[in-house]
Amino acid sequence: KNEVEQSPQNLTAQEGEFITINCSYSVGISALHWLQQHPGGGIVSLFMLSSGKKKHGRLIATINIQEKHSSLHITASHPRDSAVYICAVFYSGGGADGLTFGKGTHLIIQP
Amino acid sequence: DSGVTQTPKHLITATGQRVTLRCSPRSGDLSVYWYQQSLDQGLQFLIQYYNGEERAKGNILERFSAQQFPDLHSELNLSSLELGDSALYFCASSVCPSCEQYFGPGTRLTVT
Repeated sequence: KNEVEQSPQNLTAQEGEFITINCSYSVGISALHWLQQHPGGGIVSLFMLSSGKKKHGRLIATINIQEKHSSLHITASHPRDSAVYICAVFYSGGGADGLTFGKGTHLIIQP
Repeated sequence: DSGVTQTPKHLITATGQRVTLRCSPRSGDLSVYWYQQSLDQGLQFLIQYYNGEERAKGNILERFSAQQFPDLHSELNLSSLELGDSALYFCASSVCPSCEQYFGPGTRLTVT
């Protein structure tokens, strides 16, 4: 079964801390999404990557294809970063082009 | 604002009823995806359309159907509704299959 595992499930940190959220998957993928979902429910695409590293503001995403692992880092975290972060993958060769999602990491940044 | 619109925002209906959810993709996007997010199952892929044609199916029930129209908007039809169909339904769009997806604000369906 193609699975996407995220860790940790829940994370509470103080404002300013460096945050790391991990994602691992079981078989070959063509690309990986990092998504952010706020309490209101809306989903925002943060990154889509298939190799290497991408940076946007205080957010950095990396992927290691050989190890089937990706990380999302938040530098200088802020209470407005509090949200659920979801890793999702396109599996290559599976026939379905929809995303397969992890269960999400619930992040709370305390002031 | 992702540029993807979904209507309605909220929908409350009774078991056994039928509803239609609507999605307009970003300008220029040919692919539309439908996802369901429930408390127990998380986010699940339902179905994908590309330029009017069904391209891929995920965990979509037989009671559910979808289509994409010539103007590229899409509708998801849910029939014989059950309590367990209560969920957030998201539409996403992309320029091409397997390209980066942009999500709409979702439709919250409550079946009573």
